[in-house]
Amino acid sequence: GAGVSQTPSNKVTEKGKYVELRCDPISGHTALYWYRQSLGQGPEFLIYFQGTGAADDSGLPNDRFFAVRPEGSVSTLKIQRTERGDSAVYLCASADTEAFFGQGTRLTVV
Amino acid sequence: GQSLEQPSEVTAVEGAIVQINCTYQTSGFYGLSWYQQHDGGAPTFLSYNALDGLEETGRFSSFLSRSDSYGYLLLQELQMKDSASYFCAVRGSMDSSYKLIFGSGTRLLVRP
Repeated sequence: GAGVSQTPSNKVTEKGKYVELRCDPISGHTALYWYRQSLGQGPEFLIYFQGTGAADDSGLPNDRFFAVRPEGSVSTLKIQRTERGDSAVYLCASADTEAFFGQGTRLTVV
Repeated sequence: GQSLEQPSEVTAVEGAIVQINCTYQTSGFYGLSWYQQHDGGAPTFLSYNALDGLEETGRFSSFLSRSDSYGYLLLQELQMKDSASYFCAVRGSMDSSYKLIFGSGTRLLVRP
């Protein structure tokens, strides 16, 4: 595709539910990053993939958060037992010589 | 700890010049980037400084002083469309280019 695509654009879920957020990177980009952005704040690093493997997951806040990239392209961020504090915009970026961000998924936990 | 400080809001007039400052304190430093983000939009890359000095890209310039842990973004000939949030971000890792530590952002309002 022409850019990084994230789906859904908006997700409302109940506290305690499981959610999956999808990222389609720019074709050919081997590096993929997940960030989380709260209102009025800058993006906060979560996890970085180089190919299929998670090269750095030090930003994941706890073990309810997990991400995969099984074929080195599409990535899915998975959040178990969602909490209201998980509400934020989840951004994905893919990179070669420059990082390109998607529009994000706005997650609201009610 | 890791922290980046930038002003929360700046207002300027169309056609003017504005400077957005950023000071940082991070455990690792491999460069300072600037991103623009319109409300509801994706952050978009503006500029990157790995070494001291000024980088110029059209109406936008960015400066870095590693000894002072300080940088700034300079926007010239301001246009209404420049109204957005601007983030400085430190590349904190040598191994991954875009594991970035972002500041809280500066909201720029351009008035006619």
